[in-house]
Amino acid sequence: DIQMTQSPSTLSASVGDRVTITCRASQSISDWLAWHQQKPGKAPKLLIYKASNLESGVPSRFSGSGSGTEFTLTISSLQPDDFATYYCQQYESHSTFGQGTKLEI
Amino acid sequence: VQLLDSGGGLVQPGGSLTLSCTASGFMFGIYAMSWVRQAPGKGLEWVSGVGSSGTTTYYADSVKGRFTISRDNSKSTVYLQMNSLKADDTAVYYCAKEATSMTGDYFDHWGQGTLVTV
Repeated sequence: DIQMTQSPSTLSASVGDRVTITCRASQSISDWLAWHQQKPGKAPKLLIYKASNLESGVPSRFSGSGSGTEFTLTISSLQPDDFATYYCQQYESHSTFGQGTKLEI
Repeated sequence: VQLLDSGGGLVQPGGSLTLSCTASGFMFGIYAMSWVRQAPGKGLEWVSGVGSSGTTTYYADSVKGRFTISRDNSKSTVYLQMNSLKADDTAVYYCAKEATSMTGDYFDHWGQGTLVTV
C-alpha cells in the first residue's frame, strides 16, 4: 500500500500569509495526486487534481506542484475562509489520504 | 451535482447496516463511485469503490470480506452493505463521485456524510 505523509500536521498563519503544505508518497505516484479542503462538520471539497490542476470554481490563490514522491499545496495569500484542514489523496493505486494538515489562525 | 447519503445509525457489534447514496445532477451511470469514511476526530480513509457498470469493485483491507459495494444505475444510487460491524467501523461515511468511469480516480464531489456508530 502507498503511504502518504503530510507536513506539518498543524500550521498557524495569518490572513495575507503565503503558506505551503507538503505531501510525500512512500513510492512514486507520478502526478496522480489531489488536494481536498475540509471544514469542521462538513464534507471535503476538491481543490486540485493531477498534482497541479485547479478544480473549476476554486480561487486562483490555491496552487499545487510536484511529481513522483513530493508534492506541495500553496495558498498565496490566506483569506479567512481558508482556515480548514487539508488532505492530499493519491490515486495511483486505489486511494490513500495523508493524515491532514490543520491550518489555524 | 448532489449526493445524498443516508442509512447511518446505531448498531450493535456484529450487526449489519446498509448505507445508500442517491445522486442527481449528472449522468450517474458513467462515473465510478466510492465510499470514504472518517472516524471521530481522525482523517479520511477510502473504504470501497465501484466502476460505472457495477462489475468492478475494490475494498480496503480493513473491510474486505465484511462490506459489499453495489450500485443501481436505474435509481442513480450506490450502496454499502456492512456486515460483522466492529467498534472500529464507527465513522462518518461519505459517498464520493469519481472523475471517470473506472474506480481508482480522484473524488470530485462528496456527499454530506452519514454517521455510523457501532
